Amino acid sequence: DTAVSQTPKYLVTQMGNDKSIKCEQNLGHDTMYWYKQDSKKFLKIMFSYNNKELIINETVPNRFSPKSPDKAHLNLHINSLELGDSAVYFCASRSGIAVGAQYFGPGTRLLVL
Amino acid sequence: GQNIDQPTEMTATEGAIVQINCTYQTSGFNGLFWYQQHAGEAPTFLSYNVLDGLEEKGRFSSFLSRSKGYSYLLLKELQMKDSASYLCAVRDRSGYALNFGKGTSLLVTP
Repeated sequence: DTAVSQTPKYLVTQMGNDKSIKCEQNLGHDTMYWYKQDSKKFLKIMFSYNNKELIINETVPNRFSPKSPDKAHLNLHINSLELGDSAVYFCASRSGIAVGAQYFGPGTRLLVL
Repeated sequence: GQNIDQPTEMTATEGAIVQINCTYQTSGFNGLFWYQQHAGEAPTFLSYNVLDGLEEKGRFSSFLSRSKGYSYLLLKELQMKDSASYLCAVRDRSGYALNFGKGTSLLVTP
């Protein structure tokens, strides 16, 4: 199936741990994103890569580090996890042509204990 | 910066019509999007407006007035499955970033 996929879907971990979330899209899109959706359901952009280059880097703690090994993958590594990092993290991708709507992955539900 | 406002919650009856408003104040504008998000799921793309006027797509329509910084999403013949959060998002001048409003939670009742 053509889609944006993320792993894992659920992640429960202790404060202070380091964890990674992976994202892959097979839509042939050039641009990929990471969003954080908090408990109040507010969806906020964190990072964006276009053809493996970082183009958006919002005010995010430097414990969060994105990596794009190729334009179909965008991973998110989080160091020294804190309670406030608990949220749903969505990956998205978009085409550079036409409407350019963003298509979202299923989300990773992160709970930091 | 971006300031995007939507009502927090709305309730409507099955079969009725509902209009969800969105107002925005932005330093740059490159299109307005509406997304639907069911509880526990990812946002899905509904509609896009970049020029003034109405875009119709089946039961859903979206309107834009750039001079007023205003958009609405119109849902006709409401169905129970339309109960979801509706997110208004403005794309910035760069064309890459989408800035979302806080979403409107719509409850459709029998």
